[in-house]
Amino acid sequence: GAVVSQHPSRVICKSGTSVKIECRSLDFQATTMFWYRQFPKKSLMLMATSNEGSKATYEQGVEKDKFLINHASLTLSTLTVTSAHPEDSSFYICSAGPSYEQYFGPGTRLTVT
Amino acid sequence: GESVGLHLPTLSVQEGDNSIINCAYSNSASDYFIWYKQESGKGPQFIIDIRSNMDKRQGQRVTVLLNKTVKHLSLQIAATQPGDSAVYFCAENTGNTGKLIFGQGTTLQVKP
Repeated sequence: GAVVSQHPSRVICKSGTSVKIECRSLDFQATTMFWYRQFPKKSLMLMATSNEGSKATYEQGVEKDKFLINHASLTLSTLTVTSAHPEDSSFYICSAGPSYEQYFGPGTRLTVT
Repeated sequence: GESVGLHLPTLSVQEGDNSIINCAYSNSASDYFIWYKQESGKGPQFIIDIRSNMDKRQGQRVTVLLNKTVKHLSLQIAATQPGDSAVYFCAENTGNTGKLIFGQGTTLQVKP
């Protein structure tokens, strides 16, 4: 199947700093990627749709100025958590697919101290 | 709003037995359904999918059943193994967009 990678796998940052998470499709091109957030023992919550060459589409309740998404190429989308706070600590997961089928990255564990 | 939900938060089965994980969905317009397996600290792993024009699809040791009449989806795992222990999510998609709505998840525990 298609492979999606994320970097970093874990990151710890101090409150007030910004953190960038990368999502890459390794063996296919993706005009659209998706970013999810997952709290412990909870389901995945869709945050936004990352569109190559255009603005991301955010789900209701997700702050676009706090979660900046850039999809600069057909194989890379980045999620930047700006001015991070402890409540932003979570597991962030991206997905992408060569067609409608979605494959997920391994996730990034963000801890804000 | 529309949602996908699961009936049981935790399912405990004996190794070798068959497992059945259920899911209810509410969006009648959804036309594509997927089951994912997620192990602790990892991203979801694709297990099997089914389109709305089918009512059954089989994979290796897994079978997905779709009942559109009652908007119900199930995942059957044959001869459950310890390696099957994980959280299982159903997800639905409408219009081939890739945008998925996930259910709450069921934890499958396999007892040796």
